[in-house]
Order: sequence, then structure tokens, then C-alpha cells
Amino acid sequence: SQQGEEDPQALSIQEGENATMNCSYKTSINNLQWYRQNSGRGLVHLILIRSNEREKHSGRLRVTLDTSKKSSSLLITASRAADTASYFCATDAPPPGRRALTFGSGTRLQVQP
Amino acid sequence: DARVTQTPRHKVTEMGQEVTMRCQPILGHNTVFWYRQTMMQGLELLAYFRNRAPLDDSGMPKDRFSAEMPDATLATLKIQPSEPRDSAVYFCASGLVLSHGGETQYFGPGTRLLVL
Repeated sequence: SQQGEEDPQALSIQEGENATMNCSYKTSINNLQWYRQNSGRGLVHLILIRSNEREKHSGRLRVTLDTSKKSSSLLITASRAADTASYFCATDAPPPGRRALTFGSGTRLQVQP
Repeated sequence: DARVTQTPRHKVTEMGQEVTMRCQPILGHNTVFWYRQTMMQGLELLAYFRNRAPLDDSGMPKDRFSAEMPDATLATLKIQPSEPRDSAVYFCASGLVLSHGGETQYFGPGTRLLVL
């Protein structure tokens, strides 16, 4: 079963708007990561947030983590057509749990020019 | 610019044939992962190696799939015999364990497999 579930499954916005994607997970985590996948390509790591962090920024990306609600959000500000991709959250468990990442089902983002 | 390489990029084969996919992880990475991605199941972990030792292959059908790391520069995933339901994109990723225990993964471009 998948640890992370993204919401929404698909999102379509206009260039310049902000895009918010959410991820919920079920069990305790060590870290939560967000990855991006362009059509037909492999996943690319975007950002990692540790379980003791609440918010992290990287360029136009902002990630929040609420461990009490077992949820995370990824905000892309001032979106561009090039941001069109699928976005996945991934979690790994604290030791001695499974250290490999478990990926969610992804959010397909379409940014209209 | 270090990257994970995978061969072949595309493979079309007939049911019952053996399929071998290869992956060259990024030099210096000590973890290697094999994933399978389909529309229905999403991204599934098949196998996970650390320092060439298999740590987790619970996601892999053992009767037909096998994963190995003959050396630190090569990981292989074999399917024998292949079946149409194995049609998917197979990704290899190599990992860098961070100081706080997190692991960022670097994905290859994938092998798109079609079993007829």
C-alpha cells in the first residue's frame, strides 16, 4: 500500500498563479521529500523536509509539514508553463523502520501559458 | 554532470522471453533502487541495495524477477520468463544517505518495457 497520497490528483492553473499540492501519509516518518516527474522522464528530487521541521523554502517552492496531521503541502509560487509535470511526495520511516522511500500516487500539474 | 544511466531505454519482447535491464549508479552512491511505474499501480519499489547487499526485495515477484549488483558500478534487473503484465517503465535510482539519515534519490531515465 502507498504511504503517501497526493491531493488533488490533477490540477490545472494559469501561468503566474500559485499551485498547492497536498500529501497525506499514514505512519511515522523520518523525512518527507517531494519529487517531480516530467512526462516520459525519471523523477527529480526537489526538496527534503525533516520530521522536526515545519517549513522549508527553495526558490519558488515552499514545503510545509504537519506531523500531527501526517500531512505536507508543496506550494509553487508564480507558476510557469515549464512547471507542468507530476509531483510526488515520498517518505521514509525512522530507524529501525524501512529506509527506502515510499512514493505517493502523484499530482499531475498542468500550467497553461 | 553525474547521472544514473539505464539500458536499454526501450524494449519490446514476446511473452516468455528473458529481459535484462542494466543500471549504472552515480559513482560514490552506496544505495541502488529498482522501481516499476504503471498507470494503475503508480511507482512501486521492487528492490533496494545498500553497499551491494540486497536490503529489501519484498516488492519483487520472486518467481520471475531477480536483481543483482555484480559490482558497485552495475545493477541488473532480470525478468524470466516475461509476461504481458510486466509491461511498465522500470526506473533505477541511486541514493546518497544524508547526515540525518534521509536519502535523496537520483533517478535514471527508465527502461520502457513492452511484453507482447
